[in-house]
Amino acid sequence: DGGITQSPKYLFRKEGQNVTLSCEQNLNHDAMYWYRQDPGQGLRLIYYSQIVNDFQKGDIAEGYSVSREKKESFPLTVTSAQKNPTAFYLCAISNFNGRSEAFFGQGTRLTVV
Amino acid sequence: QKEVEQNSGPLSVPEGAIASLNCTYSDRGSQSFFWYRQYSGKSPELIMFIYSNGDKEDGRFTAQLNKASQYVSLLIRDSQPSDSATYLCAVALRSNDYKLSFGAGTTVTVRA
Repeated sequence: DGGITQSPKYLFRKEGQNVTLSCEQNLNHDAMYWYRQDPGQGLRLIYYSQIVNDFQKGDIAEGYSVSREKKESFPLTVTSAQKNPTAFYLCAISNFNGRSEAFFGQGTRLTVV
Repeated sequence: QKEVEQNSGPLSVPEGAIASLNCTYSDRGSQSFFWYRQYSGKSPELIMFIYSNGDKEDGRFTAQLNKASQYVSLLIRDSQPSDSATYLCAVALRSNDYKLSFGAGTTVTVRA
C-alpha cells in the first residue's frame, strides 16, 4: 500500500449482480494489474494496463471488465457472468512491466451471498 | 508443468533456526525474481528482489538465484515468530511478456 488505495475492503454480491472494485494510485506508476487469489492457488492475473485507455486480458479475464480512463485509476467490474467470484482481489502497480517490482493495495474480499 | 513452483508446505521451524524456501520456474530467459511475504488476510509485501546469479542479502533474508538451474531460494536466518506468514515467489517470465507470475506460496510457521 502507501499510495495504492483499494476499496471497499469487504464487498458482498448478490446473485446476478455486477459489482465494481476500486483501485487508485498516486505514485505515478504506469502499469496497473488486477489479481485474484483463492486459497492455496497463489495469484492469478485478471487484467493489466500499461497506459491510459489500453488494457490487456490476463489468464482469467472471463466474467470481468476493466477501464483505464485515468492513469491513477483502474477499476475492476465483476459481472454476473463470473460464476464463482468469491475471492480476494488484489490491485498492483509497477513502474515498468517486468523489471520493476509490483506493489499491492490492501485488497478487497468479495463474497457472494 | 506450472510456470512457477514452490516447495509444498507448510514449513515449521523453531525460533532461531533457518527457514529455507525454494522456487523453480519454467522459462530460462526470465530476468527478475521477487519474494513477497503475505500475512493472513493481508496483501503481499515485497521483501526481496534479485536479478543476477548468486546471493543477495538483506538483514536476516538471503535470496539465491541460479538461472542455469532455473531456481531461486529464500533463506530466513534467526527465524522469529513474526516471520510466520505465506511466502510467495514471483518471476517476470519471458514467456509471459515479463509480467509477474506467482507461485502458490509456502506457509511458514515459526515455533516459539
